[in-house]
Amino acid sequence: DARVTQTPRDKVTEMGQEVTMRCQPILGHNTVFWYRQTMMQGLELLAYFRNRAPLDDSGMPKDRFSAEMPDATLATLKIQPSEPRDSAVYFCASGLVLGGRSGELFFGEGSRLTVL
Amino acid sequence: KQEVTQIPAALSVPEGENLVLNCSFTDSAIYNLQWFRQDPGKGLTSLLLIQSSQREQTSGRLNASLDKSSGRSTLYIAASQPGDSATYLCAVKETTSGSRLTFGEGTQLTVNP
Repeated sequence: DARVTQTPRDKVTEMGQEVTMRCQPILGHNTVFWYRQTMMQGLELLAYFRNRAPLDDSGMPKDRFSAEMPDATLATLKIQPSEPRDSAVYFCASGLVLGGRSGELFFGEGSRLTVL
Repeated sequence: KQEVTQIPAALSVPEGENLVLNCSFTDSAIYNLQWFRQDPGKGLTSLLLIQSSQREQTSGRLNASLDKSSGRSTLYIAASQPGDSATYLCAVKETTSGSRLTFGEGTQLTVNP
């Protein structure tokens, strides 16, 4: 049963600490997205990659957030230093774009981050 | 900038009712539209994907329609069950911004036994 796997599921940390969230996309998918969900803002796109190359990270605060894909099986989202306003659920999603045709997007279970 | 609106924000119905959830978008130049379901504390589960060239998609008791020209999509749920209780989100993929998905704020559905 192919699925997107995210770790950690829950993270509580103190302001100023570094946080790294990891995502394993579905094998064979070539597009990876990071979304953030809060009650106030709903789902916001932070960054997305195609074939491991970043295509759009305009939704991400560049001074503290960074997103990478070290290889096709791992995507990371790092926050340094973390702030209380970063508290949210962070979702990773993957999909397949082939021949210009884009398929369904599959989401992980999310990483719930609480910054005290 | 694409904006996606879902109405109603919340809906409570008795079990067995047929119901319609609405989604509207401001820019009709979309590539596809996807309906998701989100249970509390969980991720999003894809329900139906409609390509821009299609008018509707069906899966079991779910039927989604798309009218690009009017910027609308509906999700029809037949014979609702308590297990259908969740938040339903629609998202549009735009043709002008690559693979970006723009989400609505969701409709929170409660089906009462």
